[in-house]
This record gives sequence, structure tokens and C-alpha cells, in this order.
Amino acid sequence: AQKITQTQPGMFVQEKEAVTLDCTYDTSDPSYGLFWYKQPSSGEMIFLIYQGSYDQQNATEGRYSLNFQKARKSANLVISASQLGDSAMYFCAMSRFNQGGKLIFGQGTELSVKP
Amino acid sequence: DAGVTQSPTHLIKTRGQHVTLRCSPISGHKSVSWYQQVLGQGPQFIFQYYEKEERGRGNFPDRFSARQFPNYSSELNVNALLLGDSALYLCASSLGERQPQHFGDGTRLSIL
Repeated sequence: AQKITQTQPGMFVQEKEAVTLDCTYDTSDPSYGLFWYKQPSSGEMIFLIYQGSYDQQNATEGRYSLNFQKARKSANLVISASQLGDSAMYFCAMSRFNQGGKLIFGQGTELSVKP
Repeated sequence: DAGVTQSPTHLIKTRGQHVTLRCSPISGHKSVSWYQQVLGQGPQFIFQYYEKEERGRGNFPDRFSARQFPNYSSELNVNALLLGDSALYLCASSLGERQPQHFGDGTRLSIL
């Protein structure tokens, strides 16, 4: 069965520093996608970054990058130059493309950025 | 461009009642998915519709049902509400199954 594991319930980072949020996944399918979402306290789920299982290069979107290590089945999110507005819950999710694209989410990591 | 819109934003019901939640996808998106998020957990998949056909169903009882209309908007219906149905219900739309899903702000449902 597919599963997403986020082992860090909470993280603290100093403003302007970089932080890595861990995510490991489990699937036997060769074709899948990995996603990171941000959920502020207001509740909306904001898409940050996507990595396909066949993508050769790690995905980047502005200050966000995804450290994809396929053999280790890990898809860590790196946020560079943290800002106070980055304080939120972060969810890693996986989609198996032979199942229509439904998302399986991890438990989330709560990131707090300190001034 | 308008994002995914959900209505209502908040709802209070009592046990045994029925509720209908509504979702309008981003223009051009034909896939709509529903998720339930209870406090302190990640969202759980309920349904996915693509081109008005059900493409997937999560591990939820038959009290949960959904449909997608010709304009690609969607409704989630829950019958015989239980206290455990209290949650944030999120709707997401995408261009297709390999594209990122974009979420609405959700409907917060409280069951008394």
C-alpha cells in the first residue's frame, strides 16, 4: 500500500536561514508524482512544488526546491531564506497516475519561523 | 483568474441531518476531487470526478456521495451526519490526473 511519512511534527527555523522538511514515500508503482502543499492557519491548501517520478532534475520554484532521491524514496522540501510568512503546516503528498491522480497525504510538519 | 471556490465557508448541523457542499473548479479544469481533513491530520481522499464520471472513491461510507455537473462544478452530499463528520472539507481541481491539484478554501463543517 502506498504511504507518505513525515517524521517531523514540528520544526523551528531562524528568519533568513534555509530549512529542510523531510518526506519519505512507499509505492511499488513506477509512475507517480510527489507534491508539497502549504496550509496556513487560515486553512487553505496552497500548492508549492511538483516532482514526477521520471523527472531527471530536481524541481525548483522560487525559494522552494525538492530534493528527490528516488532510490531512497525521499522527496524533501528545501525552503531557502525563510520568511515569517512561511510559518504554516506543510504537507507532502503522492499521486499514483494509474489511480486517477488521487492524492495521499502525510501527517504534516508545522514550521515556525523565528524573527 | 478565479481559483477554486467552495460554499458555504462554515456550516453547523446536528446529528442525523443532511448536508450539501458545493465546489466550482478553476476555469478549464475538468477534474474535481474532494478531501476530508480532521483536526491535526492530513487530508483524506473522498471522491474524484473527471468529465462527470466518478474516477475514484476513498474509504468512506455510503452516506457520502458526490456528483459533477456539465459545467464541471461538483457537489458533495453527506447523509445521516455523525459527530465524527466534523471536519474541513476541501475541494480541488486540476487539468488532468498528472497535473497539480489546486484547492479551495474549504468548508468547515461542525456537527453538534
